[in-house]
Amino acid sequence: DIQMTQSPSSLSASVGDRVTITCRASQGIRNYLAWYQQKPGKVPNLLIYAASTLQSGVPSRFSGSGSGTDFTLTISSLQPEDVATYYCQKYNSVPRTFGQGTRLEIK
Amino acid sequence: QVQLVQSGAEVKKPGASVKVSCKASGYTFTSYYMHWVRQAPGQGLEWMGIIIPSGGSTTYAQEFQGRVTMTSDTSTSTVYMELSSLRSEDTAVYYCAREASHFDYWGQGTLVTVSS
Repeated sequence: DIQMTQSPSSLSASVGDRVTITCRASQGIRNYLAWYQQKPGKVPNLLIYAASTLQSGVPSRFSGSGSGTDFTLTISSLQPEDVATYYCQKYNSVPRTFGQGTRLEIK
Repeated sequence: QVQLVQSGAEVKKPGASVKVSCKASGYTFTSYYMHWVRQAPGQGLEWMGIIIPSGGSTTYAQEFQGRVTMTSDTSTSTVYMELSSLRSEDTAVYYCAREASHFDYWGQGTLVTVSS
């Protein structure tokens, strides 16, 4: 099975900072990658799919890039409401494996 | 609007089984696959399996093979996830999620607590 590895596992940044989270697949998955945001006590929420397509209603400060094995989620200007755990997920095949998550906090 | 409404919280003893339901509305039930994902307290998201509602075909994660059964009822637009031989490590929030390749809608989650 393909493994999904996120880095870092946790991250602390200041409001207004540019934040980057990385996700690496153990084998190529083309662009079959999604990013989810999960705020404390809430249901995961789709941010980006097809590696770089922003889900409707998601603020434009979120962006995604990458293809093959290496992917990135970027928040261009961190806001207090972005405190959450972020997960990548591959969906080219089963199992639909998630990364282990990146916990983002405000410094 | 699309809604996935799950059944309520459950408390089970070790060795028992639990069956969680997920009722879909606001779209054509048989047009989308459905997945189950769980999240243990303080842990990440774990994919459990997929069901194709129209025919009932399933694929399960290896970790749950032999213990999980996913079914669908097209007459009520409901999918079910049954997990047997429960152990304390199965304490988690269980989610259903609709697939539009990615997971675009999620249920509200069902907390299953396994405790003697």
